[in-house]
Amino acid sequence: EAGVAQSPRYKIIEKRQSVAFWCNPISGHATLYWYQQILGQGPKLLIQFQNNGVVDDSQLPKDRFSAERLKGVDSTLKIQPAKLEDSAVYLCASSLTTGGTGAFDYGYTFGSGTRLTVV
Amino acid sequence: AQTVTQSQPEMSVQEAETVTLSCTYDTSESDYYLFWYKQPPSRQMILVIRQEAYKQQNATENRFSVNFQKAAKSFSLKISDSQLGDAAMYFCAYRTSAYSGAGSYQLTFGKGTKLSVIP
Repeated sequence: EAGVAQSPRYKIIEKRQSVAFWCNPISGHATLYWYQQILGQGPKLLIQFQNNGVVDDSQLPKDRFSAERLKGVDSTLKIQPAKLEDSAVYLCASSLTTGGTGAFDYGYTFGSGTRLTVV
Repeated sequence: AQTVTQSQPEMSVQEAETVTLSCTYDTSESDYYLFWYKQPPSRQMILVIRQEAYKQQNATENRFSVNFQKAAKSFSLKISDSQLGDAAMYFCAYRTSAYSGAGSYQLTFGKGTKLSVIP
């Protein structure tokens, strides 16, 4: 099966500029996650979608970050305006998890991420 | 909140030898899942092995095995017959097993261990 696709692979922007990342999950995966991985740290969840609804965005800096998942498939993550501390790898992942029904599949599949450098 | 600690920032091993990576975690839950992920320079997080907390038997996947000590909240990864392709960052991760609303199913990662394999 095709994996999780992300683009762009790399992005360099100046602080205060805006940037957008795109993710296409595995076909049929209801749950989509965006993780932020700062250099030297493990990934941290930014936002979780179940189909096209937000399940958890408690760790998303909403003053500058936004995300959407139209039609429950592709997703975009946007940063506006970017700060130096936003330099990180942004990983997208998807899974079959269906949330509150109790059905559970822990089979996360990650994309290769976008490396963002803010200068 | 759950926390995951990897106390070894870097490890090295001779090719064909065995190495053990350490991980400890903190949780008040009795049922959960633990994972080891490998992240090569390509940045994609690749699942190495997983363990269900309710299972007493340690998980094994070919050259990879875990030592799961539930009472001690310890989850170490043993790599046998190390190969050059094993060189990567290794992350220990925790995931709750029960749906409890927002944040469910997110992975909580440690900071990682960089493994080098010496030819």
